[in-house]
Amino acid sequence: DSGVTQTPKHLITATGQRVTLRCSPRSGDLSVYWYQQSLDQGLQFLIQYYNGEERAKGNILERFSAQQFPDLHSELNLSSLELGDSALYFCASSAPKTGGYGYTFGSGTRLTVV
Amino acid sequence: AQSVAQPEDQVNVAEGNPLTVKCTYSVSGNPYLFWYVQYPNRGLQFLLKYITGDNLVKGSYGFEAEFNKSQTSFHLKKPSALVSDSALYFCAVRDRDGGSQGNLIFGKGTKLSVKP
Repeated sequence: DSGVTQTPKHLITATGQRVTLRCSPRSGDLSVYWYQQSLDQGLQFLIQYYNGEERAKGNILERFSAQQFPDLHSELNLSSLELGDSALYFCASSAPKTGGYGYTFGSGTRLTVV
Repeated sequence: AQSVAQPEDQVNVAEGNPLTVKCTYSVSGNPYLFWYVQYPNRGLQFLLKYITGDNLVKGSYGFEAEFNKSQTSFHLKKPSALVSDSALYFCAVRDRDGGSQGNLIFGKGTKLSVKP
C-alpha cells in the first residue's frame, strides 16, 4: 500500500456519460497530480493541485476538470465521455518539502468507455 | 520545454545478464531525473533519482542509473537481471517551471522482459 488511495479501481460507463474519480493523497502530502495512461499516448500529465489550488495544467481536455478539497483529497471529473477516454487514470502525491523530487502513485482507476 | 525519450519500446534480457534501459533528456538548466517501475495492474513505483552530486545513482532492487551530462542520458542499469524485474520502466524529468512542486514529465516507457 503506497498510501495514495484511488477509487474506484474499475469503472465501465457508456459514451456521453460523466464520471468522477477520487484520490486521497498520502498523509501530509499537499500536492496531487493526475495522469492518464493509455497505450498510444503513454503517461500524460493532466493537472496538479497544491493545497487546494490549481498549480499546473497539462494535456487536460476541456471536458475534464478537477479540484482539491480542504481535506486535500482530489476528484477528477470526466464528462461527455468518448471511447478514446478509456485509459488508466493515476493520481500521485508529493510532500511539501520534497515536492517534485519524487511522487507516490496510487494504483489507478481503469476507465472503460463502451 | 523539458522532455525525455526512451528509444526502445522493449528490451529483452536473459536472467543473470546485465540489463540497460536507455533514457535521454532535454532540459534547460540542471535536470532532475527519475526512474519509475510499473508492474502489471499496479501504480508506478519510485526506483531512483538524480538531483545533484555523484553521477552514479543507486536505487531500489539493485538498480542504478548513470547520469551523463555530455550525452544528456540517464540510463538505467542492473548487473544481473531477474525474471521478477520484468515490468514497464519509465524515465522522467521534473518540470522546473513548477518550482519545488513541479510535475514530472514521463517518457513513453520501456517494457523489460527477462527470460529464464
